[in-house]
Amino acid sequence: DIAMTQTPLSSPVTLGQPASISCRSSQSLVHSDGNTYLSWLQQRPGQPPRLLIYKISNRFSGVPDRFSGSGAGTDFTLKISRVEAEDVGVYYCMQATQSPWTFGQGTKVEIK
Amino acid sequence: QIQLVQSGAEVKKPGASVKVSCKASGYTFTSYDISWVRQAPGQGLEWMGWISAYNGDTNFAQNLQGRVTMTTDTSTSTAYMELTSLRSDDTAVYYCATGATADYWGQGTLITVSS
Repeated sequence: DIAMTQTPLSSPVTLGQPASISCRSSQSLVHSDGNTYLSWLQQRPGQPPRLLIYKISNRFSGVPDRFSGSGAGTDFTLKISRVEAEDVGVYYCMQATQSPWTFGQGTKVEIK
Repeated sequence: QIQLVQSGAEVKKPGASVKVSCKASGYTFTSYDISWVRQAPGQGLEWMGWISAYNGDTNFAQNLQGRVTMTTDTSTSTAYMELTSLRSDDTAVYYCATGATADYWGQGTLITVSS
């Protein structure tokens, strides 16, 4: 199975300041079809997960442009340009390149 | 808009079975696979498997092989996940998700396994 490792596991952030989460996979996430199936999910307290970013850097429908994804191969990053109160929650990276799909441990974003 | 609506919370005894439903709307049901993911209390996300809504092909997580069944009813655009021989560590919120890579998620179904 592909292991996904996120850092940090907790990120206290001041409102309006940027936040960054890293995700590293134990092997390349480049699929044989040429795509890299690395997604970022947001889970607000008491809510189901919500897709933010797919295939490394594509924002899903309705996702604010303060969220951006980057990376390649085994190293990926989610950035929030200016954290807002509604961004509080746990963020997960997820790979769907190889079965079984696997998730990072989650990074808790909270307001300082 | 695409929606997935899941069945309600259940309490089960160890050794029992549970079947969770996931009714899809807002898209052609057979266009996307349905994945199932669970989340134990206070824990992260665990992929359980997926089923093709087009032809019924399945792929399950190895640790659930033999205990999990996934089916679909295309006439009602509903997917089902059945888990047997329940144990206390199966207590979790169970989610269905659809789309190319889990684009849309259901609201979750809490399954509590307790004697």
